Amino acid sequence: QSVLTQPPSASGAPGQRVTISCSGSSSNIGSNIVNWYQQLPGMAPKVLMYSNDQRPSGVPDRFSGSKSGTSASLAISGLQSEDEADYYCAAWDDSLIGYVFGTGTKVTVL
Amino acid sequence: QVQLVQSGAEVREPGASVKISCKAFGYTLTDYYLEWVRQAPGQGLEWMGIINPSGGSTSYAQNFQGRLTMTTDTSTNTVHMELSSLRSEDTAVYYCARSLISGWHVMDYWGQGALVSVSS
Repeated sequence: QSVLTQPPSASGAPGQRVTISCSGSSSNIGSNIVNWYQQLPGMAPKVLMYSNDQRPSGVPDRFSGSKSGTSASLAISGLQSEDEADYYCAAWDDSLIGYVFGTGTKVTVL
Repeated sequence: QVQLVQSGAEVREPGASVKISCKAFGYTLTDYYLEWVRQAPGQGLEWMGIINPSGGSTSYAQNFQGRLTMTTDTSTNTVHMELSSLRSEDTAVYYCARSLISGWHVMDYWGQGALVSVSS
């Protein structure tokens, strides 16, 4: 059971905005940066956002990240069919002395 | 271009060990840390640990302490991950990933994954 909690699923029609939450605690999100990973079906994960709100080169600006206190969120605006994937938040946990991934959210484009 | 190429699928019996390799192409192995993440069938991602190929220092997740070993072979640009005392719950796809920024666990390149099946 992960210490970072995400909703199991999220969905939206093409063009809509979807937001995924990631809830943690003071020992992880509250004191460390959050990264987000996208995993397309059958593929290895890919880093989508790092250091809370930084997009790696090549990631569309439709994706945005934020962090407040012990929670973080990833927003996808202008939803596209290719955004159908699993999304994971992740952060270092000072109590566990390890890197933890969120429970994962499956995004479906209706 | 940067690539991480992992060894192939493995089948082991409970109690055995497995060693997976991750060979780096397109960059100098010792310039970046390398991390290991696994994913059980239909489940989420689980971080296993990290190695600094320059010097070989490691940090393992508590769940794997005592049965996980990561090593580097700089002559072949390869990192190895060995997991011992396997149990059925270790059945998973094991990924290696390059860590872009030290301490931030930003994994920018991933291997293709290696399926390990543990069954009697």
